[in-house]
Amino acid sequence: DGGITQSPKYLFRKEGQNVTLSCEQNLNHDAMYWYRQDPGQGLRLIYYSQIVNDFQKGDIAEGYSVSREKKESFPLTVTSAQKNPTAFYLCASSMSRLSYNEQFFGPGTRLTVL
Amino acid sequence: DQQVKQNSPSLSVQEGRISILNCDYTNSMFDYFLWYKKYPAEGPTFLISISSIKDKNEDGRFTVFLNKSAKHLSLHIVPSQPGDSAVYFCAAAKGAENAGGTSYGKLTFGQGTILTVHP
Repeated sequence: DGGITQSPKYLFRKEGQNVTLSCEQNLNHDAMYWYRQDPGQGLRLIYYSQIVNDFQKGDIAEGYSVSREKKESFPLTVTSAQKNPTAFYLCASSMSRLSYNEQFFGPGTRLTVL
Repeated sequence: DQQVKQNSPSLSVQEGRISILNCDYTNSMFDYFLWYKKYPAEGPTFLISISSIKDKNEDGRFTVFLNKSAKHLSLHIVPSQPGDSAVYFCAAAKGAENAGGTSYGKLTFGQGTILTVHP
């Protein structure tokens, strides 16, 4: 079945450590996105990539980094510079950067900083 | 600056009745709007969308209305069912013309409205 997978579902990290969240899609989508969800704030865009080897900052990119070496993979690193990393992280993808298609979301990763 | 706003954090409706979820936006450049439904600890799933060239789009029990002059859209669910209980997000996108066509990708989301449908 085609879809988006995120792993792990729950992740715990000690303060000061970097951590990488995985996102893989087998939908052959060009574009991929990372969002963060906090209570009462909806989804905020962290980074997005419209094509392999290219990505742009979203609205809240500080303290995060990404790479897009393969079409199907868009890992997100939460660095120690991110002041409030505890949140629910969602990865999404959409078919093409050239015409609008709705974004499909993965199941999410809940990151807790201890 | 919250460009897409859902001013009602929650809505409670009786099964069989109509649910109306509202969304306001401030950026007049937005020309494509979507509604997503989200259950706890899961990713959002797409429900329905509408382009700015329309004022209504219907899909089964779900209808989205767009009032461009008021910069307002709403999602109507009729009849409401207990399984509709979830968080509903509206989202907006603006198109950008380029050599290959129109690019939309980036979505701006509202804060979400928790819908509870009572049996």
